[in-house]
Amino acid sequence: KNEVEQSPQNLTAQEGEFITINCSYSVGISALHWLQQHPGGGIVSLFMLSSGKKKHGRLIATINIQEKHSSLHITASHPRDSAVYICAVRSWTGNQFYFGTGTSLTVIP
Amino acid sequence: NAGVTQTPKFRILKIGQSMTLQCTQDMNHNYMYWYRQDPGMGLKLIYYSVGAGITDKGEVPNGYNVSRSTTEDFPLRLELAAPSQTSVYFCASSYGDSRAVPGELFFGEGSRLTVL
Repeated sequence: KNEVEQSPQNLTAQEGEFITINCSYSVGISALHWLQQHPGGGIVSLFMLSSGKKKHGRLIATINIQEKHSSLHITASHPRDSAVYICAVRSWTGNQFYFGTGTSLTVIP
Repeated sequence: NAGVTQTPKFRILKIGQSMTLQCTQDMNHNYMYWYRQDPGMGLKLIYYSVGAGITDKGEVPNGYNVSRSTTEDFPLRLELAAPSQTSVYFCASSYGDSRAVPGELFFGEGSRLTVL
């Protein structure tokens, strides 16, 4: 049983499309994180959320605590957005993180 | 600020050899973590530490050891390397306190280890 489930696993989009990646979790959390990993690259944090919505440029992250669900949206997608996007939740105790298996996004020019 | 620094970036080991992956952070974070990432799988927690002198096992601790003598450093030691330890290893750090104020999670660049 995975504490964090992401969908879809793989996503291909045309440049300019609006993209949504979903994350559901089953544990009590203190925060939810969206991470980005480029092929062969390191992992960087995009957002940390405990409620509501955050926006950085073309990226928007939302969380619904009651439904235990979060979404990551990319507006006007670009080939440089091609990466694996990982949803992670921090346990209520704060000690541990649980990770989804990631969504592999490819944006075609 | 350098953030989280991991070394080495790449290493090839023979079966039975030992090595240490180094991890240093300069953000005064109390929480530090070691994860492994296998193809198509999510990050698996090997060990973590909530502060200097305190370490605890994660999901997949067998074949590894850690120590946390300072806030900054959290080395991961592989004893008697096995092919099953071929993976990409990530060190991460974060801030947390008893009021459950969460901090961002910062990762090192990863260490690609191959055991032949």
